[in-house]
Amino acid sequence: EAQVTQNPRYLITVTGKKLTVTCSQNMNHEYMSWYRQDPGLGLRQIYYSMNVEVTDKGDVPEGYKVSRKEKRNFPLILESPSPNQTSLYFCASSLSWAGGYEQYFGPGTRLTVT
Amino acid sequence: TQLLEQSPQFLSIQEGENLTVYCNSSSVFSSLQWYRQEPGEGPVLLVTVVTGGEVKKLKRLTFQFGDARKDSSLHITAAQPGDTGLYLCAGVRTSGTYKYIFGTGTRLKVLA
Repeated sequence: EAQVTQNPRYLITVTGKKLTVTCSQNMNHEYMSWYRQDPGLGLRQIYYSMNVEVTDKGDVPEGYKVSRKEKRNFPLILESPSPNQTSLYFCASSLSWAGGYEQYFGPGTRLTVT
Repeated sequence: TQLLEQSPQFLSIQEGENLTVYCNSSSVFSSLQWYRQEPGEGPVLLVTVVTGGEVKKLKRLTFQFGDARKDSSLHITAAQPGDTGLYLCAGVRTSGTYKYIFGTGTRLKVLA
């Protein structure tokens, strides 16, 4: 089954404790992306990757890191989480960076930072 | 900076009514997509419009891309409770950057 998987689905952590949210897709997609969703603000893009070893900042990259060492995986790293990073996070992938292709979203990771 | 404004933010209507959701921007996009999101899930693509003035129909849903490729609308005819959800527009830029810009969303509730 074609899908985007994220882990964990729920995470409660404390300020400053490094964490990683994993994302994996099995569709051989080139383009992958991380979003956060907050009430009243919609989905905001954090980072995106057009292919292996090619990443770039989205609109809200501060406090986050990503890497794309393999085509299928695109982990999101919070080196020192803060309460303002409490949010619902989605990973997404699409066939190409060319635009206009469908983005397939993962099920989401709800992160709470206390 | 939020570049895509959606209106209305909330909409509660009776089954059988028609409705229109708007997505407006001052920026030009290469293409525009509409997604629907249900509670506890990620957004799912409904349609992609690419050409200025393009109109696409998906059963009772009609999507239009503005002539200048800065705005779009989603019209639902004879809404049904199954249409309930969060509707999101997303603009795609492919000149110099490859970002997706999402609108703030329209939360629709259709009452039986």
